[in-house]
Parts: sequence; C-alpha cells; structure tokens
Amino acid sequence: AQKVTQAQTEISVVEKEDVTLDCVYETRDTTYYLFWYKQPPSGELVFLIRRNSFDEQNEISGRYSWNFQKSTSSFNFTITASQVVDSAVYFCALSDALVDTGRRALTFGSGTRLQVQP
Amino acid sequence: KAGVTQTPRYLIKTRGQQVTLSCSPISGHRSVSWYQQTPGQGLQFLFEYFSETQRNKGNFPGRFSGRQFSNSRSEMNVSTLELGDSALYLCASSLEQAVRDNEQFFGPGTRLTVL
Repeated sequence: AQKVTQAQTEISVVEKEDVTLDCVYETRDTTYYLFWYKQPPSGELVFLIRRNSFDEQNEISGRYSWNFQKSTSSFNFTITASQVVDSAVYFCALSDALVDTGRRALTFGSGTRLQVQP
Repeated sequence: KAGVTQTPRYLIKTRGQQVTLSCSPISGHRSVSWYQQTPGQGLQFLFEYFSETQRNKGNFPGRFSGRQFSNSRSEMNVSTLELGDSALYLCASSLEQAVRDNEQFFGPGTRLTVL
C-alpha cells in the first residue's frame, strides 16, 4: 500500500537559515506523482510542486528547491534563506493507483510544522 | 478567477446530528475531491466526484456521503455525527478527474466541531 513518511514533526529555524524537509514514500506503482503542499495558519492547502516518477531532475523555484531520488524513495524540499512567511505546515503527498479500484488519490504524509523565528 | 469556496467555514453540531457541507469548485473545473484533516489521522481522502458521479472513495464509513450537481458544485453529508468526526474538511477541485493527476486546488475548509 502507498505510504508517505515525514519523520520531522516540527522544525524551528531562525530567519535566513536554510532548512530541508524530508519526505520518504512507498509505492508499488512504477507510475506515480509526488507533491508538496503548504498549509498556512488559514488552513488552505497551497500547491507547491508536482513531479512524476519518470522525471528525477531536481527543480528550483526561487528560494525553493526539490530533490527527488528514486533510489532512496525520497522527495525532499529545501527552503533557502528562510523567511517568517514560510512558517506553515508542509505536506508531502503521493498519487498512485488505489489498490482496489486502480484509480488514483492523494496519500498525504503527516506534515512538518516549520517555524521561522525572526 | 475565483478560487474554491466552501461553506460554512465553521460549524458546531452535537453527537447524533447530521451535517451538510458545500463546495463550489473553480469555474470550469469538473472534479471535486473531499478530504478530512484531524490531528490524529492527518489528511485523509474521502471521495471524488466527477460529472455527478462518485469516482473514487476512501476508507470511510457509509455515514459519509456526497453528491455533485450539474454545475459541479458538491455537497458532503455526514449522518449520525460522532465526536471523532470533528475535523477540518477540505474540498479540492481540478479540471478533469484527479485520476489523470491534474493539479488540485484546495478551498479554505470547513471546520466542524462535534460536541
């Protein structure tokens, strides 16, 4: 069965520090998608990135970067020069086929709460 | 373009009652998915509707049901509420079925408290 593990429950950093959020996944599918979402205190999930299982290229978007390694089933997220506005809960998610229906739904990790102190 | 809207934003009910939550997807989006978020279980997929039909269903009891209307708006119903149903219920919309891995856009959620 699919599973997403975010071992870091909470991380606290000081502004301008770099921080990496870990994500490890399990799936039996060869085709799957990985996502990162940000959930600020307002509660709304904000989409950050989606990667498919065939594209292992790392991606950088401003201060955000993602490292996808199939060999270790990891999809880690790094924020460079963190800012107070980055404080939120970050979720990693996996989309693969549901075992019984063959259809896909999102399986979320438990989230990592990031606190950026000024 | 307006985002996903959910009503009401907050709701307080008592055990045994039933509740209906509403979700209006982004204009043009035909798929609506529902998720439950609790401190203990995290974010869990409830079900997905596309073209007024339930296409996917998570592992929740039959007390949780939903429907989708011809304008793609969706409602979720929980009957015989239990204390454990207290949660943030999130709705997400996408252009096509989520099974095609289209990006999902989430609403702000409805926070349900069961007393």
